[in-house]
Amino acid sequence: ETGVTQTPRHLVMGMTNKKSLKCEQHLGHNAMYWYKQSAKKPLELMFVYNFKEQTENNSVPSRFSPECPNSSHLFLHLHTLQPEDSALYLCASSQDDIQATNEKLFFGSGTQLSVL
Amino acid sequence: QKEVEQDPGPLSVPEGAIVSLNCTYSNSAFQYFMWYRQYSRKGPELLMYTYSSGNKEDGRFTAQVDKSSKYISLFIRDSQPSDSATYLCAMIGNQGGKLIFGQGTELSVKP
Repeated sequence: ETGVTQTPRHLVMGMTNKKSLKCEQHLGHNAMYWYKQSAKKPLELMFVYNFKEQTENNSVPSRFSPECPNSSHLFLHLHTLQPEDSALYLCASSQDDIQATNEKLFFGSGTQLSVL
Repeated sequence: QKEVEQDPGPLSVPEGAIVSLNCTYSNSAFQYFMWYRQYSRKGPELLMYTYSSGNKEDGRFTAQVDKSSKYISLFIRDSQPSDSATYLCAMIGNQGGKLIFGQGTELSVKP
């Protein structure tokens, strides 16, 4: 499979649940990202990983916990979320960190998250 | 003032029309300009990538950058129902930095 793959595509969770989002990229890229997309709002950068090291945490609440075990995989662990966290969560990758190199960004299809 | 302004639409046009999508920005340091297309329930896909001022054409799509006016456009010729999607502009400076997105314009092309 090519590109950036995200699972699950849809997730409904209660405020006390713990769940994880998974992202895998098959592009041989070194940088991976989590973005949040809410209706009628610009994409919000959450986390950046470059060569497995976190290089950006954009003031994201601690109820979102990223994990990057290698350059191809990225996880977002979720716990005690709030209803306002309901959104489309997008994973992306680039050859190197776009914040240093102007690389092109490639997105997965996203996980549509609903918090009840 | 937002760094990037994009009219959210929705914009509805008949098939075959010429579509003009636009973004304005305030940061003169932006040098790289992108347009992403996002279909419903999908992630954004890179459509056009341009550097500095000028035009770039790819099939029915033309990206235009006017840095003096801090204004970028995406033109779609002979629009098709398959062009119905949300179009996001994005931009970044010459030394990298933050990639800033517009909020997206929802386009509907009616048969």
